[in-house]
Amino acid sequence: KNEVEQSPQNLTAQEGEFITINCSYSVGISALHWLQQHPGGGIVSLFMLSSGKKKHGRLIATINIQEKHSSLHITASHPRDSAVYICAVTAGNQFYFGTGTSLTVIP
Amino acid sequence: NAGVMQNPRHLVRRRGQEARLRCSPMKGHSHVYWYRQLPEEGLKFMVYLQKENIIDESGMPKERFSAEFPKEGPSILRIQQVVRGDSAAYFCASSLKTGGTGEQYFGPGTRLTVT
Repeated sequence: KNEVEQSPQNLTAQEGEFITINCSYSVGISALHWLQQHPGGGIVSLFMLSSGKKKHGRLIATINIQEKHSSLHITASHPRDSAVYICAVTAGNQFYFGTGTSLTVIP
Repeated sequence: NAGVMQNPRHLVRRRGQEARLRCSPMKGHSHVYWYRQLPEEGLKFMVYLQKENIIDESGMPKERFSAEFPKEGPSILRIQQVVRGDSAAYFCASSLKTGGTGEQYFGPGTRLTVT
């Protein structure tokens, strides 16, 4: 069993839709990260969370430490949001990654 | 402030050759992490280094792989006697803070192809 589970694995949305990607983890963590990987392969760190909620533009990330769960929301989705979104957790010096959610936003 | 730099971006090696992947962290960052992404798979942690020290190498294969982060110069991930299964994208990231508490900035990756 993976330490980090993401859902859904694949997601297709119409432009403008509100999108939610979920992440559950089974280890005690010091931080949770949401990453974005574009088709070219480059990885961008979107958020690092240890509690509560963070917002950056149309992106919102929340974490519930008690439930060991985080969500990434995208409001007013756009085709340029099409990418793989990866949830990762750090537990001490250990790093665990989800397998990613492949998002396609259709115009 | 330049981001994390990796070179080469693409590397082709024949089986049995050595591969050297370089990572220059962001200015001021002394923590470097290496990750591997096999085709059609997720990212996997390999090693975490600080200047001149390996902090955690629990994700590194026991043989043929080594990493260093010298006092001067880039971090190097070295793969000896490469095999086809080593073909992957290798990403490094750097952070300002120790362990998992610092935001990580990723390099563009080195795509290794073993023929």
